[in-house]
Amino acid sequence: EAGVTQFPSHSVIEKGQTVTLRCDPISGHDNLYWYRRVMGKEIKFLLHFVKESKQDESGMPNNRFLAERTGGTYSTLKVQPAELEDSGVYFCASSQNYEETQYFGPGTRLLVL
Amino acid sequence: KNQVEQSPQSLIILEGKNCTLQCNYTVSPFSNLRWYKQDTGRGPVSLTIMTFSENTKSNGRYTATLDADTKQSSLHITASQLSDSASYICVVSGLVRKSTFGDGTTLTVKP
Repeated sequence: EAGVTQFPSHSVIEKGQTVTLRCDPISGHDNLYWYRRVMGKEIKFLLHFVKESKQDESGMPNNRFLAERTGGTYSTLKVQPAELEDSGVYFCASSQNYEETQYFGPGTRLLVL
Repeated sequence: KNQVEQSPQSLIILEGKNCTLQCNYTVSPFSNLRWYKQDTGRGPVSLTIMTFSENTKSNGRYTATLDADTKQSSLHITASQLSDSASYICVVSGLVRKSTFGDGTTLTVKP
């Protein structure tokens, strides 16, 4: 069974540009989560989907971040326009039920110059 | 403010030795506590997950304990191996479902 996959693995963009990160959860997992780790800090929650619905988006830093999960399968996280402080590693995780183990993807390393 | 504090920040041990990592949290109300292992350049991998009613859970050489009264957890690693070198992250979730991550403990196992 394939694990959680994320694309791209790395992205280097200039300040003001747009970047879209993609996450493919494990097949059948209704719960999908986005997290990020900025330099030197702990991993922080961004948002949680249950199927195509946003269950909790309280961790989204501002309105430059837009997450979608059309059809309840893969999810995208768009940053527009990107700022320097958006640099970090963006992780996606999925689980079948909320209380169960979350399986993390390898992360997308974003560098905004 | 919900917080998760881990100690020590880093730890170096010799192969074959045991070690214990600590996690203190202030998240309330409490739903579950998870320990993850994160290898460099990879995503975290779940080791254990414990709910309020559980006070110990094992996964091979990893044993996690939870004291919900004192809001403390520990992760004990037995007979360490070189492959145990990684960052170990404690994550606490409250009833509102948002997870709070600790900074992690970086473990280095030397031959």
